[in-house]
Amino acid sequence: EPEVTQTPSHQVTQMGQEVILRCVPISNHLYFYWYRQILGQKVEFLVSFYNNEISEKSEIFDDQFSVERPDGSNFTLKIRSTKLEDSAMYFCASMMGGLGSYEQYFGPGTRLTVT
Amino acid sequence: RKEVEQDPGPFNVPEGATVAFNCTYSNSASQSFFWYRQDCRKEPKLLMSVYSSGNEDGRFTAQLNRASQYISLLIRDSKLSDSATYLCVVNRRTDKLIFGTGTRLQVFP
Repeated sequence: EPEVTQTPSHQVTQMGQEVILRCVPISNHLYFYWYRQILGQKVEFLVSFYNNEISEKSEIFDDQFSVERPDGSNFTLKIRSTKLEDSAMYFCASMMGGLGSYEQYFGPGTRLTVT
Repeated sequence: RKEVEQDPGPFNVPEGATVAFNCTYSNSASQSFFWYRQDCRKEPKLLMSVYSSGNEDGRFTAQLNRASQYISLLIRDSKLSDSATYLCVVNRRTDKLIFGTGTRLQVFP
C-alpha cells in the first residue's frame, strides 16, 4: 500500500539554525500539506500546496517558513531560523483530490527539537 | 468557540464494551468529516470518512448530523488494540483539516 514517507524521523538543532524537513507524498496525489503538533496539543495546519504553489497558509506559517517541491517526488518544509517554540512533530500529508478522494494521508512525522 | 470540540476523556472501558465518542463542529461550510486515530507520538491514521447517511466499517460506526453539526463514532466489542486517541476532523474538501483535541480511549483486560 502506498504511503507518505518523511525524513529525518528526529532532528535536533540549535536555535537560529536552518532546518529542512523532507517528505515524499503518495505518487498520484495532487495536494500536499504540512501540519505540526506540539507535545500534548492538537494537530495544527501550517500550509497547503497545489499545482506548484501555496494555496493556503496559517498564521503560524510566517516568513521563517517556506515550502518547495523541487522535483516530481519530494515536498520540503524549510524553517530559516529556528526558535525554541518550533519544537514539535511535523507531519506531511497528501491527498488525491478531484473526483478521486478528499482523504488526507499522513507521514510518520519528523520530531524537531530546538535547543 | 472552538471549531471542533470533543470530550477529551479519558474513556476507560473493559474489553468487549461498546463506547461512543461525540464531536461538534462550528463551521456550517464544512463538507468532509473524518475520524482519525492517533497512537502516542505517532501520526494520525485515517479510521473512516463520515457520510450523511452514516457508515459502518466492521466494529466501527460513524454518524453525521449536519443540522446539529454533530458527528459520532461508535466502537463495538472493544479490543485492547483500540486504545488510542480518536480525532474528530472536518474540512472543506481540498482545504486544511481542522482537528479536534481528541478523545483518549483506554481499553483494559
